Amino acid sequence: KNQVEQSPQSLIILEGKNCTLQCNYTVSPFSNLRWYKQDTGRGPVSLTIMTFSENTKSNGRYTATLDADTKQSSLHITASQLSDSASYICVVSAGDYKLSFGAGTTVTVRA
Amino acid sequence: DGGITQSPKYLFRKEGQNVTLSCEQNLNHDAMYWYRQDPGQGLRLIYYSQIVNDFQKGDIAEGYSVSREKKESFPLTVTSAQKNPTAFYLCASSIGTSGAAYEQYFGPGTRLTVT
Repeated sequence: KNQVEQSPQSLIILEGKNCTLQCNYTVSPFSNLRWYKQDTGRGPVSLTIMTFSENTKSNGRYTATLDADTKQSSLHITASQLSDSASYICVVSAGDYKLSFGAGTTVTVRA
Repeated sequence: DGGITQSPKYLFRKEGQNVTLSCEQNLNHDAMYWYRQDPGQGLRLIYYSQIVNDFQKGDIAEGYSVSREKKESFPLTVTSAQKNPTAFYLCASSIGTSGAAYEQYFGPGTRLTVT
């Protein structure tokens, strides 16, 4: 069964600090992995997408990494801002219409 | 949220009533999707449509129905047969018919509460 596990479930960080979110998956075959940001009460918005051959992808202060051998991905947030408070969702595709979603990590940035 | 609109943002209904959630997109996308989001769980696919007048069941289609009469519209009806309908519902669309090959753009969601 295709599964996506994210950790931690939630975290609190001080403004200006860095943090790293983890994603482990068992989706097979693997096509691509996306990270989405979802503000409370809103729809998810794509941050990065990586295929099998990509190890790192950046989008401003967000940097995603992918290790396809160990089936792990991480999302690093640099110099966090209050606007980074949101849920971050890891989504893995097996190459068809069907996506496997993680439950998300809720990040709270405190001033 | 791109060019996808969902209405209403909040919806309340009593048990035993059917309710229809609206989803419209102006992105000229062929494929559209409905997901359900519950606390502590990943999004789950209810229905998807790859082309007008065609749609397929997702993982949790029981108690739901859809139609795709126009390319830009994909309404979802939550019927009284859905045993636990209270949830956050998200509509999405993608340009291609192979959904995973193209990014899915999400609407702002509708929060449905059934009492």
